[in-house]
Amino acid sequence: DAKTTQPNSMESNEEEPVHLPCNHSTISGTDYIHWYRQLPSQGPEYVIHGLTSNVNNRMASLAIAEDRKSSTLILHRATLRDAAVYYCILRGSGGSNYKLTFGKGTLLTVNP
Amino acid sequence: KAGVTQTPRYLIKTRGQQVTLSCSPISGHRSVSWYQQTPGQGLQFLFEYFSETQRNKGNFPGRFSGRQFSNSRSEMNVSTLELGDSALYLCASSTATGYVNEQFFGPGTRLTVL
Repeated sequence: DAKTTQPNSMESNEEEPVHLPCNHSTISGTDYIHWYRQLPSQGPEYVIHGLTSNVNNRMASLAIAEDRKSSTLILHRATLRDAAVYYCILRGSGGSNYKLTFGKGTLLTVNP
Repeated sequence: KAGVTQTPRYLIKTRGQQVTLSCSPISGHRSVSWYQQTPGQGLQFLFEYFSETQRNKGNFPGRFSGRQFSNSRSEMNVSTLELGDSALYLCASSTATGYVNEQFFGPGTRLTVL
């Protein structure tokens, strides 16, 4: 499975933007970039995914580098509810590579 | 629409016993995946079922097995429990198998093996 690298932890202040980086230098051309987050005492929840172009949804934005070797999840205005572990995951389109392979993720702390 | 439900939420077993966990996916979802989460290993994929067939399997011993019924509900069984099987077991459902579909996770079953 292609690997991703994320910082262990990041800290932000409430109502400020947060940029969560992810490196995936071995990404293949057909791998999708998915982001999930896990709030305390809950199962993971889907945040966003993309292939090549930047993506926006009601929760966040995903900025993908032109060479696709890195991406950034952007939370435009962090709230206390956004405190969670954020996982950057590559999902392949072929064979058995589409399973979710979670790394350690980034623990985001949001300060009031 | 109701979310993914898992039963029981908490379970205590002793070494050597077996356990069965249940997962009811979101209505209309045909794919169910199972994950194990521990502090040391993080979230690890166990297996995925789609239309009653196992489509994908992680690197777990044969003591871990599962099945899916015609109504898409799924069960996971662990035989001959070991202390290291203590974990949060998460179930996730999606509309179909594949690399794009969003997975919806349940709250998990916390298994403690004594």
